[in-house]
Amino acid sequence: QVQLQESGPGLARPSETLSLICKVSPVSMSTYYWNWIRRPPGKGLQWIGYINYSGRTKFDPSLESRVTMSIDTSKNQFSLRLNSVTAADTALYFCASANRGSPNYFEYWGQGIGVTVSS
Amino acid sequence: QSALTQPASVSGSPGQSIAMSCTGSSSDVGGFSLVSWYQHHPGKAPILLIYEVTKRPSGVSSRFSGSKSGNTASLTISGLQADDEADYYCCSYAGGSPFVIFGGGTKVAVL
Repeated sequence: QVQLQESGPGLARPSETLSLICKVSPVSMSTYYWNWIRRPPGKGLQWIGYINYSGRTKFDPSLESRVTMSIDTSKNQFSLRLNSVTAADTALYFCASANRGSPNYFEYWGQGIGVTVSS
Repeated sequence: QSALTQPASVSGSPGQSIAMSCTGSSSDVGGFSLVSWYQHHPGKAPILLIYEVTKRPSGVSSRFSGSKSGNTASLTISGLQADDEADYYCCSYAGGSPFVIFGGGTKVAVL
């Protein structure tokens, strides 16, 4: 069973960069596509994007200009950076795995980390 | 593309069956057999219940079942239990850009 755990600051300042890390165990990172998904307060889930073990990425078009993802297979973790944040980026952020054969559904999830954008 | 449309809430009594809908378009739900469903208890990790419209991952109760007709997918919970009280989200492949889209979520209450 894949286990994922998000970590990072719970507060980000407007116009600055939100940075989160997802630690993965105990699995080879080449098996899955690694995703970030968020849920703003009172709204549904929003897929942010994925990265695979070789660093190939795909992002939601609405966030693509502000998102960066990276992966460190030696540490079994991947990360999200979202720049120029506003209050609209306040959300519960999840990391999740998708099998690379069928990356359109998410087999395992972390518990999520709440991030508030506020000055 | 807009988010998939789900009813805000559905309720039922223990032992009953309930169903919730997930409506999209021919560009997502209707165009592909790639709808998935997730259960989320607050404070816990979401759980994959259904993938590819009707398939259940190993370990998921057979009380959960999925179907699709046209642009609308449905999740049915039979033999409703207290622990089924949670938020449920549908998700569909959307052709590539966006890659996938989710619904707004349905809150299930067990009366």
